[in-house]
Amino acid sequence: GAVVSQHPSWVICKSGTSVKIECRSLDFQATTMFWYRQFPKQSLMLMATSNEGSKATYEQGVEKDKFLINHASLTLSTLTVTSAHPEDSSFYICSARVVGRGKDTGELFFGEGSRLTVL
Amino acid sequence: LAKTTQPISMDSYEGQEVNITCSHNNIATNDYITWYQQFPSQGPRFIIQGYKTKVTNEVASLFIPADRKSSTLSLPRVSLSDTAVYYCLVGDTGGFKTIFGAGTRLFVKA
Repeated sequence: GAVVSQHPSWVICKSGTSVKIECRSLDFQATTMFWYRQFPKQSLMLMATSNEGSKATYEQGVEKDKFLINHASLTLSTLTVTSAHPEDSSFYICSARVVGRGKDTGELFFGEGSRLTVL
Repeated sequence: LAKTTQPISMDSYEGQEVNITCSHNNIATNDYITWYQQFPSQGPRFIIQGYKTKVTNEVASLFIPADRKSSTLSLPRVSLSDTAVYYCLVGDTGGFKTIFGAGTRLFVKA
């Protein structure tokens, strides 16, 4: 199956700093990637849809100036948590749809996730 | 987007067959049904996908009745390592947005 890789897998930072998380599709092109946030014992919450070459589409309630998303190439999307605070501590997961491999049935491939801890 | 409803949790014992049912009453004609498995601190992993009737792969079977308003994920002979959260998602090929429901926490006991 298609492989999506996230980096870093975990990061600890001080309050007020910015953190960048990368999401790469290793063996396929992804015109669309998705970013999720997951708190303990909860489901994945869609934050935004990242479109290659255009602005990301954010879900209601997600601050686009705080969670900066860049999708500059067909294999890389980045999420930058700006001026991070302890309440931003969470598990961030990206996913991508496979495009160009026959019929697109909506299957998503997920990264391993990135755990952010803000002190 | 079709909303899905699943049981919050289920318990089972090793070696048993586990069936998890998902309701999706407002599923659209173009929607596929996809199930994912998630272990703690990992991203979800694709299990199986179907449109109608029955689909089987090396790890699971998916049963979809004619009206497609529900689906059942069947895990044969579960092991302790199948303890995870299972998500049922419904979406069409053109809809790029994927919304996760609460999922079903499966506990497999020895």
